[in-house]
Amino acid sequence: IAGITQAPTSQILAAGRRMTLRCTQDMRHNAMYWYRQDLGLGLRLIHYSNTAGTTGKGEVPDGYSVSRANTDDFPLTLASAVPSQTSVYFCASSEEKGDEQFFGPGTRLTVL
Amino acid sequence: LAKTTQPISMDSYEGQEVNITCSHNNIATNDYITWYQQFPSQGPRFIIQGYKTKVTNEVASLFIPADRKSSTLSLPRVSLSDTAVYYCLVAPRGGAGSYQLTFGKGTKLSVIP
Repeated sequence: IAGITQAPTSQILAAGRRMTLRCTQDMRHNAMYWYRQDLGLGLRLIHYSNTAGTTGKGEVPDGYSVSRANTDDFPLTLASAVPSQTSVYFCASSEEKGDEQFFGPGTRLTVL
Repeated sequence: LAKTTQPISMDSYEGQEVNITCSHNNIATNDYITWYQQFPSQGPRFIIQGYKTKVTNEVASLFIPADRKSSTLSLPRVSLSDTAVYYCLVAPRGGAGSYQLTFGKGTKLSVIP
C-alpha cells in the first residue's frame, strides 16, 4: 500500500513559470490538504478539499490553486511562481475533515 | 481561528517522561486537539487526538483540562529515537462548510543519552 505520494521530490523553478505539484492517495480518503512548511513558521494550510468536487481556501491561499476531480488526486498549481513560494510542500489526507491526517513525503520547491 | 502556542524547544534525558504543553486559549466548541511528530525530511506523523479529559494510546497520553484552553502531550520513558519536532493542531472534525485549522510552530525535543 503506497498511502500518499507526491511528485516531484524536489524542483528548482524560474520565477514566473507555472508549476503543478502532484498528490495521490490510495486510501479512499474524503479529505485532502496542502500545506507549506517554512523554517520557524511551522505548517500552514494552503487549500483543502472535504470531498471530491469541492475545495476551500486555507490560511495562505494566494498564488495557489487546486482541483479535486476525483477522490485520489489533489494537484496544487502555482500559476506564476515567485521566490516567496520557495518552501517544502506537504500533501495530506484523512478519512473525513479533522480526522487523523496522513502526510506525503513532501516536495522541496525552490523558486529563483 | 484558534491560535496555538508551544515551547520552541525542550531537552530530556533518555528514560524520562516528557510533557509538552500547547496553549489554545480561543479553542472552539467543535475543535479537537491533535498532536503530530515530525522527523527531518519527512512528513508529520499522527500521535494522538482528543477532545477533553485524558486519552492514552500505545505511544503517548494526552491531557486536556476542563476549560480546554491547553493540552499536554506526555511521552513516557523517551528514547533517542523520540528526538523530533512535535506539533499541536487545533481543528474541527466532520461537518460541511469552511475549514480553518492552526498548527503550532512546533516543539523541538532533543533526547540526550
